[in-house]
Amino acid sequence: AQKITQTQPGMFVQEKEAVTLDCTYDTSDPSYGLFWYKQPSSGEMIFLIYQGSYDQQNATEGRYSLNFQKARKSANLVISASQLGDSAMYFCAMREPDSWGKFQFGAGTQVVVTP
Amino acid sequence: DVKVTQSSRYLVKRTGEKVFLECVQDMDHENMFWYRQDPGLGLRLIYFSYDVKMKEKGDIPEGYSVSREKKERFSLILESASTNQTSMYLCASSASSDRATRGAFFGQGTRLTVV
Repeated sequence: AQKITQTQPGMFVQEKEAVTLDCTYDTSDPSYGLFWYKQPSSGEMIFLIYQGSYDQQNATEGRYSLNFQKARKSANLVISASQLGDSAMYFCAMREPDSWGKFQFGAGTQVVVTP
Repeated sequence: DVKVTQSSRYLVKRTGEKVFLECVQDMDHENMFWYRQDPGLGLRLIYFSYDVKMKEKGDIPEGYSVSREKKERFSLILESASTNQTSMYLCASSASSDRATRGAFFGQGTRLTVV
């Protein structure tokens, strides 16, 4: 069963605007980790941000923030002040401790930033 | 600088050939993973290993096997390559789950074409 759902296959955003990428997840484990990765056209996977299920505050890393709504099982990524270099595929992932630390990934969202 | 290195960036193989994809990490990570990436499907886990000589099937293990004889090296084997195994293959490693707040570290990917 799909554990990570990203419902937006692709989106356009104008430079300097903020963009929100949706991610919902499914788990019955109270302890889990949520991650976002960026994959530019070069193919490398770049870690962006982490949110632990017990973290009280939403995670932030520079222009990236994670809107974590635990009751709704939602972990949306917000990119503020988009730049042309933000054009990439973005993946949401979850790690569950009782699964030997496996990472489950969503299908991804393709973001294109326009001038 | 942490590193996960995959032996080839691009490979072209013939149907029926035995194919080896090699991955080496220099971070002394316990966990290593092989994912396959296809458009619209995200990253799907083929196999993972949580220790030397230990392996577990992922979501799509059919047609693949793995080997982990040393902690730093994790090999993916296609016993008899088929055209439906044409894909991007990503190797990753991570610390054991309670310390993996930076998530998994990925190699540069191997784009395999089976003709």
